[in-house]
Amino acid sequence: RKEVEQDPGPFNVPEGATVAFNCTYSNSASQSFFWYRQDCRKEPKLLMSVYSSGNEDGRFTAQLNRASQYISLLIRDSKLSDSATYLCVVKRGQGGKLIFGQGTELSVKP
Amino acid sequence: DVKVTQSSRYLVKRTGEKVFLECVQDMDHENMFWYRQDPGLGLRLIYFSYDVKMKEKGDIPEGYSVSREKKERFSLILESASTNQTSMYLCASSRGQASYGYTFGSGTRLTVV
Repeated sequence: RKEVEQDPGPFNVPEGATVAFNCTYSNSASQSFFWYRQDCRKEPKLLMSVYSSGNEDGRFTAQLNRASQYISLLIRDSKLSDSATYLCVVKRGQGGKLIFGQGTELSVKP
Repeated sequence: DVKVTQSSRYLVKRTGEKVFLECVQDMDHENMFWYRQDPGLGLRLIYFSYDVKMKEKGDIPEGYSVSREKKERFSLILESASTNQTSMYLCASSRGQASYGYTFGSGTRLTVV
């Protein structure tokens, strides 16, 4: 079983839709949690950190449930420019090794 | 902005060659990492380093070694390149605390023929 598992993709949604990505992690020693975004043929870039209290950044809302070891990302009012692969990431260990999920591809259509 | 620079964007090497991939960061980060990314397998950690001259094996270190002689530079070495090492290689750096994310370089697409 992979340490970080994400919804299989791809997600194909119309502009303006709300889309949710889910992720589970297996190592309870994980310390920090993130969502990264990766555009085609580009490097991953940090989208947002995820906190137990939940956090929002514009149209993006991230949630963490430590008891269930579950992370989510909600995107409201999807834009064409949101099309990318979204990577669920957990961090553990001294200095913090990042463990990546396989990613979920999102395609927003006009 | 933190900048992580990888020396080559595309590289083609022959089987058996010794290959050096260079990574430099300009923000005095303690931690540096090398990943490879393959379709269907995601990003996998090869080696990482928490300080100068320190190195630790990641999940797939076989066939690779690393060097960190200076804080800002982390080199990945393929001792004898093989075709199954054809991949996208991504370098990243971060501050020491666990709560910080990484900054990635733009990647090196290595093809071994």
